[in-house]
Amino acid sequence: DQQVKQNSPSLSVQEGRISILNCDYTNSMFDYFLWYKKYPAEGPTFLISISSIKDKNEDGRFTVFLNKSAKHLSLHIVPSQPGDSAVYFCAASAISEKLVFGKGTKLTVNP
Amino acid sequence: GAVVSQHPSRVICKSGTSVKIECRSLDFQATTMFWYRQFPKQSLMLMATSNEGSKATYEQGVEKDKFLINHASLTLSTLTVTSAHPEDSSFYICSARDSHRGGYEQYFGPGTRLTVT
Repeated sequence: DQQVKQNSPSLSVQEGRISILNCDYTNSMFDYFLWYKKYPAEGPTFLISISSIKDKNEDGRFTVFLNKSAKHLSLHIVPSQPGDSAVYFCAASAISEKLVFGKGTKLTVNP
Repeated sequence: GAVVSQHPSRVICKSGTSVKIECRSLDFQATTMFWYRQFPKQSLMLMATSNEGSKATYEQGVEKDKFLINHASLTLSTLTVTSAHPEDSSFYICSARDSHRGGYEQYFGPGTRLTVT
């Protein structure tokens, strides 16, 4: 049973446009959500997080939106840059500190 | 800040031998570290949670006698793959939580590529 789902394995966007990466979860106990970026053969890099008491968190070009009623969160990157091309993982935590990861979405930003 | 290192970055070993991987938090203290494994085109699979000064907590299906974890200090955790077999070949990644920060952010090391021949 996959508790964190990223239904789009890949996404292609033109440079300068907005990238929207989506994530759904099933466990209503999750109270903290994170996005990580990962290049091949490297460890994930933390991007941005959001607590369940908020519905939006912004950091530069990255904004995460949380819709608790829909159990859905999304990461917006604007404007997208070629250097943003990577695999993006959504992760969630329920107090226990353990993170549950989605399978990732490969973002390609075309120049 | 929040830098995590892993050593070695790549290792090739023969079947039946043991391999030790080190994970260090370089600029923060980490009472809790995590060990993950990633298969090609798959997500990160949590293997175990390593707690400083106590026994690691293993996820279901992970053999604790095969994957020995030691978290001897606030900045170092080690994973030893004992009697390695080709099916243990994988990308192993550690992460650490900053003990003094709130939130659940984990900071990841660069990973270790293990190849068992």
